[in-house]
Amino acid sequence: AQTVTQSQPEMSVQEAETVTLSCTYDTSESDYYLFWYKQPPSRQMILVIRQEAYKQQNATENRFSVNFQKAAKSFSLKISDSQLGDAAMYFCAHCTSGTYKYIFGTGTRLKVLA
Amino acid sequence: AAGVIQSPRHLIKEKRETATLKCYPIPRHDTVYWYQQGPGQDPQFLISFYEKMQSDKGSIPDRFSAQQFSDYHSELNMSSLELGDSALYFCASSPTPGLADEQFFGPGTRLTVL
Repeated sequence: AQTVTQSQPEMSVQEAETVTLSCTYDTSESDYYLFWYKQPPSRQMILVIRQEAYKQQNATENRFSVNFQKAAKSFSLKISDSQLGDAAMYFCAHCTSGTYKYIFGTGTRLKVLA
Repeated sequence: AAGVIQSPRHLIKEKRETATLKCYPIPRHDTVYWYQQGPGQDPQFLISFYEKMQSDKGSIPDRFSAQQFSDYHSELNMSSLELGDSALYFCASSPTPGLADEQFFGPGTRLTVL
């Protein structure tokens, strides 16, 4: 069974600084997708970035980028130039190709300090 | 842009009562997913539907049932409610079943069981 682990329950970062959130996963499948979702206090789930396992190039979306290490089954999220609006719960998620469900990690609460 | 619509947004029920949650996917999305997020927990996959057929099943109690209708909206029926069913219930939809494309989440229905 697939599992997703986020070992940092909480992280803090100064405004304008960079922070990295960790995520590891376990799967026996070779074709899968990884995602980072943001959940602000409104509880809305917002996609931050996604990575296809077959792509070696790390995904980037503006200030957000990932470090995808397939052999190590690691998928960390880097947030550059952190902003107050980045404060939220961040969930890492895994989805095996051909299935219809996400497996989420337990989340990392990010605090951004002014 | 149209988003996933969930109704009601808030629901309060007594133990042993029944609740029905509704989800209206984004137009032209034919896959619907249901997740349960307990207080301080990560979202847990319950069930999904593609073209009105159940496509995957997660940790959904036998007291719960769900279906997708001809107009692609979905309903989650919950019977014999227990205190532990109090949670935020998310519906998500996607246009590309099984390819792990982005799931678009609704705002959630907050169910409180007293």
